[in-house]
Amino acid sequence: EAGVTQFPSHSVIEKGQTVTLRCDPISGHDNLYWYRRVMGKEIKFLLHFVKESKQDESGMPNNRFLAERTGGTYSTLKVQPAELEDSGVYFCASSRQQGAGSPLHFGNGTRLTVT
Amino acid sequence: KQEVTQIPAALSVPEGENLVLNCSFTDSAIYNLQWFRQDPGKGLTSLLLIQSSQREQTSGRLNASLDKSSGRSTLYIAASQPGDSATYLCAVLTSGTYKYIFGTGTRLKVLA
Repeated sequence: EAGVTQFPSHSVIEKGQTVTLRCDPISGHDNLYWYRRVMGKEIKFLLHFVKESKQDESGMPNNRFLAERTGGTYSTLKVQPAELEDSGVYFCASSRQQGAGSPLHFGNGTRLTVT
Repeated sequence: KQEVTQIPAALSVPEGENLVLNCSFTDSAIYNLQWFRQDPGKGLTSLLLIQSSQREQTSGRLNASLDKSSGRSTLYIAASQPGDSATYLCAVLTSGTYKYIFGTGTRLKVLA
């Protein structure tokens, strides 16, 4: 089966611009997660979709970040306007079930650099 | 609030050595613990998932143990190879949530 796909792999934008990251989960995986790793820090949770519904968005840093998953398939994460501290690697992950029994499958990430 | 710590932060060993990576967590009420491997510029690959009711999981040369009461997990790698060089991350799924909390990882380098 195809893995989790993220696009683009790299993005360099200027402060104040907008960037949209895309994630295509594994087919049939209802659960989709966004995580982020900023330089030197641990990977941190941003939010969790179950199908098209946001289950938990407690990790979203602020209202400059907007995630959507229309139709319960692919997801987008928009940052508008981008700030310098938004630089990092954004990972998407999917799983078949919530919680205990189902391992997470990660994409290769999008490396975002805000200059 | 769950916190996950990994020690050591970096490790360099000669090929063929057996080694142990450590992960500790502060809240023992967990659903499971998962070990991942990350190669440079790549995503995370799931290595082993241990449910809270389990003590260990094995896959090939890898063995992960879980001691929930003491908040510890170890990843044992037998007969290390240069291809094992990567960053190893542990992540904990705390009961009542569906988000994994990650440690900062151990960067492993196996020298040929």
